[in-house]
Amino acid sequence: DQQVKQNSPSLSVQEGRISILNCDYTNSMFDYFLWYKKYPAEGPTFLISISSIKDKNEDGRFTVFLNKSAKHLSLHIVPSQPGDSAVYFCAALRGSQGNLIFGKGTKLSVKP
Amino acid sequence: DARVTQTPRHKVTEMGQEVTMRCQPILGHNTVFWYRQTMMQGLELLAYFRNRAPLDDSGMPKDRFSAEMPDATLATLKIQPSEPRDSAVYFCASGSRVLNTGELFFGEGSRLTVL
Repeated sequence: DQQVKQNSPSLSVQEGRISILNCDYTNSMFDYFLWYKKYPAEGPTFLISISSIKDKNEDGRFTVFLNKSAKHLSLHIVPSQPGDSAVYFCAALRGSQGNLIFGKGTKLSVKP
Repeated sequence: DARVTQTPRHKVTEMGQEVTMRCQPILGHNTVFWYRQTMMQGLELLAYFRNRAPLDDSGMPKDRFSAEMPDATLATLKIQPSEPRDSAVYFCASGSRVLNTGELFFGEGSRLTVL
């Protein structure tokens, strides 16, 4: 039973356009949601997070939106750059358990 | 430059052999996670420790996998006996504020191939 779902295995976007990566979750008890970015042959690196009490968090070109009623979050990258090409993992945290659960990832390709 | 260090980076072994993967978390981090990445399951949680105590290892096949933290600077993941379906990249990650923010620092992974 997957608690964090990324239903799009891949996404292709033109450089300069917006990339939107989506994530759904099933457990309403999650406290934090995070996005991690992973390049080939490297470990994932933290990108941006959002508390469950917020609906938006912005950091430069990256914005995460949280819709609690729909149990849905999304990562927006504007403008997209070729260096953003990577696998993006959505993750959710239950603070009381300290257990960070990841989705299966979405591979983003930004074409020049 | 603090980072999580994993060894070995690559391991090829034959079915039935014992495999031990090691992780040195970032100094001062009190939480250590082991994840396995496969094409089908993405990043799958195997086990995690806080202050060296195991908190959850429900993601591990108990009959063949074991995870320990002999001290604060070393975490180990052992597979005995290994099977071809164990082939994956195994990541160790550590953090100091995981309960509050979920932010983890990952190692570069150990790629295991079991023939």
